[in-house]
Amino acid sequence: DIQMTQSPSSLSASVGDRVTITCQASQDISNYLNWYQQKPGKAPKLLIYDASILKTGVPSRFSGSESGTDFTFTISSLQPEDIATYYCQQYDKLPVTFGGGTKVEIK
Amino acid sequence: QLVESGGGLVQPGGSLRLSCAASGFTFSTYAMNWVRQAPGRGLEWVSAISGSGKTTYYTDSVKARFTVSKDKSKNTLYLQMDSLRAEDTAVYYCAKDTIGSYPCSFDYWGQGTLVTVSS
Repeated sequence: DIQMTQSPSSLSASVGDRVTITCQASQDISNYLNWYQQKPGKAPKLLIYDASILKTGVPSRFSGSESGTDFTFTISSLQPEDIATYYCQQYDKLPVTFGGGTKVEIK
Repeated sequence: QLVESGGGLVQPGGSLRLSCAASGFTFSTYAMNWVRQAPGRGLEWVSAISGSGKTTYYTDSVKARFTVSKDKSKNTLYLQMDSLRAEDTAVYYCAKDTIGSYPCSFDYWGQGTLVTVSS
């Protein structure tokens, strides 16, 4: 199975800060990488697909990029409503696998 | 919209069938998935079925125990879970895929249904 190593597991930042989460794949997955947001007690929501494409309706402060097997998710200016756990997910090979998640909190 | 039902408390070795009623899109066009989340843990993809219903996919830990199916006349997805184990305890989400053939990107999710396996 492809392992997705996500870091950090948690972070605390101030409103307006730039937040960066990374996800490293254990092998080449091309750009077959998605990012999800999960708020407490809620189902996940797809934010970014194919590594860097913002789903329609998602605020532009969210972005994604890739460099080889390393993927980056960025919130350019953290807002209070962004408090959530974020997951990366690869779909290059079955089984589909998720990263361990990054819990984002407000400082 | 996706609405799951069928969760509950079941003893180890028991069975349960989850349902997911879909509306608002053409059910036969898109693959459908089951994703679970154990209490306080991350997300784990469990199973998928193609839009046509002809192809199914499973993670290794549930193969031969779980069966995914769909009833296109009822726009409903199912997950039959047999030989349940304590480690199957989780919230189970159904999730619509963005393509028809293969587990890929999950763009709409249900609210989840809790399955607890315990004696």
